[in-house]
Amino acid sequence: DGGITQSPKYLFRKEGQNVTLSCEQNLNHDAMYWYRQDPGQGLRLIYYSQIVNDFQKGDIAEGYSVSREKKESFPLTVTSAQKNPTAFYLCASSSSMNTEAFFGQGTRLTVV
Amino acid sequence: GQNIDQPTEMTATEGAIVQINCTYQTSGFNGLFWYQQHAGEAPTFLSYNVLDGLEEKGRFSSFLSRSKGYSYLLLKELQMKDSASYLCAVLDSNYQLIWGAGTKLIIKP
Repeated sequence: DGGITQSPKYLFRKEGQNVTLSCEQNLNHDAMYWYRQDPGQGLRLIYYSQIVNDFQKGDIAEGYSVSREKKESFPLTVTSAQKNPTAFYLCASSSSMNTEAFFGQGTRLTVV
Repeated sequence: GQNIDQPTEMTATEGAIVQINCTYQTSGFNGLFWYQQHAGEAPTFLSYNVLDGLEEKGRFSSFLSRSKGYSYLLLKELQMKDSASYLCAVLDSNYQLIWGAGTKLIIKP
């Protein structure tokens, strides 16, 4: 079955540590996205990529980094520079920027 | 600035009809999406409108008026499984999705 997979579902991190969230898709989609979701707020775009080896900052990129070395994969690193990293992180992909996005199951990151 | 407004929470009765409104002010418009999100899960696509009018898909319909910056999602014959958050998102002139905060729909027996 085609889909988009995020792992892990739950992640705990100590303050000052970097952590990488995985996102893999086998939908052959060109575009991939990382969003952050906080209670009472809309999804906020962290980074997006329209093609391999290229990515763009979203609205809240500070403290995050990404790579797009393969079409299928778009990992997100939450660095120690991110001041408030506890949140629900969603990865998505779409065939192009103006088509429906398919979402992964999400990763709930908690800083302890 | 860009803005999407939706009611925070709505309550409806099983078997009834509910309309969830979304108003938007964005820099350009290239379409409006509705997604459903159950608690703790990923959003799933419901509908896409780019032209004015009503799009019907089973129990769900979505309406768009571009001149008024307004859309609604209509859910008929409500079922308990429809309890979820409903997210409105607009694709702006740069093909960036601007998301509303979502409307939490509570269905009562």
